[in-house]
Order: sequence, then structure tokens, then C-alpha cells
Amino acid sequence: KQEVTQIPAALSVPEGENLVLNCSFTDSAIYNLQWFRQDPGKGLTSLLLIQSSQREQTSGRLNASLDKSSGRSTLYIAASQPGDSATYLCALLRAGNMLTFGGGTRLMVKP
Amino acid sequence: NAGVTQTPKFRVLKTGQSMTLLCAQDMNHEYMYWYRQDPGMGLRLIHYSVGEGTTAKGEVPDGYNVSRLKKQNFLLGLESAAPSQTSVYFCASSNRDWVHEQYFGPGTRLTVT
Repeated sequence: KQEVTQIPAALSVPEGENLVLNCSFTDSAIYNLQWFRQDPGKGLTSLLLIQSSQREQTSGRLNASLDKSSGRSTLYIAASQPGDSATYLCALLRAGNMLTFGGGTRLMVKP
Repeated sequence: NAGVTQTPKFRVLKTGQSMTLLCAQDMNHEYMYWYRQDPGMGLRLIHYSVGEGTTAKGEVPDGYNVSRLKKQNFLLGLESAAPSQTSVYFCASSNRDWVHEQYFGPGTRLTVT
């Protein structure tokens, strides 16, 4: 069974810092990996999607990498802002259209 | 373009009552999904559909039924609600392409007393 772990569970940083969120998984037989953002009481917003054949994707200040051989993905946020405060979730799509989620990292960026 | 919408946003049920949650998408997506989100358990797939008239079980299907009579709608039913079904329910949809990026609705917060 695919297990997805996100470390740390919570992170607090001062504004302007560059930071890395980690996602590890046990089964490398995946189709893609998505990073989502979830604000309190809201739905999920897709940030980046990496296909299994890709190594990274970039969108603005966000960069996500995928290393299937080691079962790891990272989300890099450059020059963090208070508006980046949210919970970040990684999710893996595997056979049978099953999207398996990690537990999330709750990020707080202090002004 | 509204994306994925869910009705209702909030609901309180008593044990044993029934209800239906409605999900609608206007992106002409083939695939639709229902998830539940619980503290400490993350998001888990309940049921999904790969096309009009088809449904399949996900990770936690017990106590729920679904129907996909129209391509744009995916209904989640609780026939006899239980307190263990207190959760936030999310609907998602994706296209039948090689990307399979999933787009989520805003969620329905359900409390069963």
C-alpha cells in the first residue's frame, strides 16, 4: 500500500526566507505527483503537477522536484510571504485513479 | 467558468437520516471523485467515476453510494448517517488525458449528531 509522509508537520518562518517542504512515498509506481495548497476552511488549490517522467516543475516562486528512485519530492518556496501561510499537501496518482495524500505541512510565514 | 461546485456548503444531520451531496463541474471532465478529509487521517478517496453511468469504489466506500447520471454531476448519498461520517467532503474532477490533474471543489462540512 502506498504511504505518503510529509515532514515537517508544521513550520514557522520569518518573511523573506526560502524554505523546502518534503514529501516521501513508499511505492515509486506513480503516474504523477501534485502539490496542493489548502487555506483554513477552504478547498484545495493545485500548485504544481509533475509527471512521473519529469524531474521538476516551476511556477513563479515555487519549484517542485521529483526523485522516484529515492521516493521523494520537495516543494521549494522562494522569498516566502505572509500570504503563503497555508497547509501544503502532496498527493500521488497511482493505478486505478487513486490519489493518495500526505498528511500535509502547515506553514506560517510571520511578517 | 465556475470549475467544481458543491452543494450544500454545510449540513447537520441526526443519526439515521439520509442526504445527498451534489457535485457539479463545467470543465467537461470525464473523471470525478469524492474524498473525505478528517483530522489525522488526511484526504481519503470514497468513490470515483471514469464516465457517465460508471462508478467505482475507492479506499473508504462503506456507508456511501454514488451516482453519475450526467457527465457534469456526481452525487454522493448517505442512506443512514452515522457520527463516524462527520467530516469535510470534497469533490474533484479531472480530464481523461495523460496529465490527470485533479481540480477540487470548496467542500461540504457535514456534522452527524
